[in-house]
Amino acid sequence: GAVVSQHPSWVICKSGTSVKIECRSLDFQATTMFWYRQFPKQSLMLMATSNEGSKATYEQGVEKDKFLINHASLTLSTLTVTSAHPEDSSFYICSASPGGLPYEQYFGPGTRLTVT
Amino acid sequence: DQQVKQNSPSLSVQEGRISILNCDYTNSMFDYFLWYKKYPAEGPTFLISISSIKDKNEDGRFTVFLNKSAKHLSLHIVPSQPGDSAVYFCAAQKGGSEKLVFGKGMKLTVNP
Repeated sequence: GAVVSQHPSWVICKSGTSVKIECRSLDFQATTMFWYRQFPKQSLMLMATSNEGSKATYEQGVEKDKFLINHASLTLSTLTVTSAHPEDSSFYICSASPGGLPYEQYFGPGTRLTVT
Repeated sequence: DQQVKQNSPSLSVQEGRISILNCDYTNSMFDYFLWYKKYPAEGPTFLISISSIKDKNEDGRFTVFLNKSAKHLSLHIVPSQPGDSAVYFCAAQKGGSEKLVFGKGMKLTVNP
């Protein structure tokens, strides 16, 4: 149980275009979903927290207009990287929490984004 | 400001021996701690956790120890197996918050 999927697993896009990444909880309802970014040999950096039906809460320094997050249902959240630049190239990982203590998070397999 | 620190970037041990991975934290509001294992190009997978009301939690080959006064926790893997080779992340949570704060990770290599 507690499986989280991400799609696509990797994507290459050109500078200036937008790319959407989906995160789905397959066997549970996720009251909260999280989006992380990981640079090589670095920690996972939390970008934003989203709850179903409400606006995402972004961490300090994360541009909300650039990284659009939509949490349309209890099993789906999307991250759209708008007007992508090469510096947006990274590994993006989502996680989902079914809620309730102790707030465990289950992670997706990640999406490798390369912007050329 | 790094609230969760994994000061050693890597560790290499022989198969069958004990692996000890260390983690320090600075925020006394953290009350729940987790260890995740991560392979390259994959998401982290949950390994074991411990609440601040405990000082030890054991699950098979994995044991996590918590020393609240020192703000230090450690993950022991006994016996270590080559399949344990991965990057291990320590993470912490504040009471009432769902957010996880991660350390930078430590690469464990278990040699056959």
